[in-house]
Amino acid sequence: EAEVAQSPRYKITEKSQAVAFWCDPISGHATLYWYRQILGQGPELLVQFQDESVVDDSQLPKDRFSAERLKGVDSTLKIQPAELGDSAMYLCASSTPDRSSYEQYFGPGTRLTVT
Amino acid sequence: GESVGLHLPTLSVQEGDNSIINCAYSNSASDYFIWYKQESGKGPQFIIDIRSNMDKRQGQRVTVLLNKTVKHLSLQIAATQPGDSAVYFCAENKSQRGNQFYFGTGTSLTVIP
Repeated sequence: EAEVAQSPRYKITEKSQAVAFWCDPISGHATLYWYRQILGQGPELLVQFQDESVVDDSQLPKDRFSAERLKGVDSTLKIQPAELGDSAMYLCASSTPDRSSYEQYFGPGTRLTVT
Repeated sequence: GESVGLHLPTLSVQEGDNSIINCAYSNSASDYFIWYKQESGKGPQFIIDIRSNMDKRQGQRVTVLLNKTVKHLSLQIAATQPGDSAVYFCAENKSQRGNQFYFGTGTSLTVIP
């Protein structure tokens, strides 16, 4: 069964450093999402792509976060500089444009710890 | 923003019993809801969905009930098994952004063998 791939699975970084996460969605999924999940809470949408275009990045802290999906396939989320409050699970999800179901398929996530 | 929340943060049930997980939503314009299961260290996994033109939908051992009058969702798990232990989230879409969802806080289900 096809899965969303994410790497790394775990990342420890010092505050003020740069960090990057990678996501490879399920083949053929045009929509890609990045979420942040703080421990004990539900995922919060950071950015949504349709192919290579950003559909919604209204919740992305643009002073330090950036996201790209240059060829409309895999995607990178970057934080620079990282802050202590950025410690969280970063989840990537993808979905098809099929309007009969809006199911999002999630990857395993990247657990970020900022020290 | 809209509020999607769960009534109980934790739930413990005996193996074999039925489980009921509740969720309240505040946006009456939401027209599509999904329940996700998240096991420790993993991403959320789709369980079942329901559209606002339905009151009930059944899957394998799971049933989702939607009460639009009081803006309430519930997930019923029949014959709960140890493998059902996880955090369960309800997610609510915005009809204007059909494929964008707000997630609730989650309910942690523990199944006691």
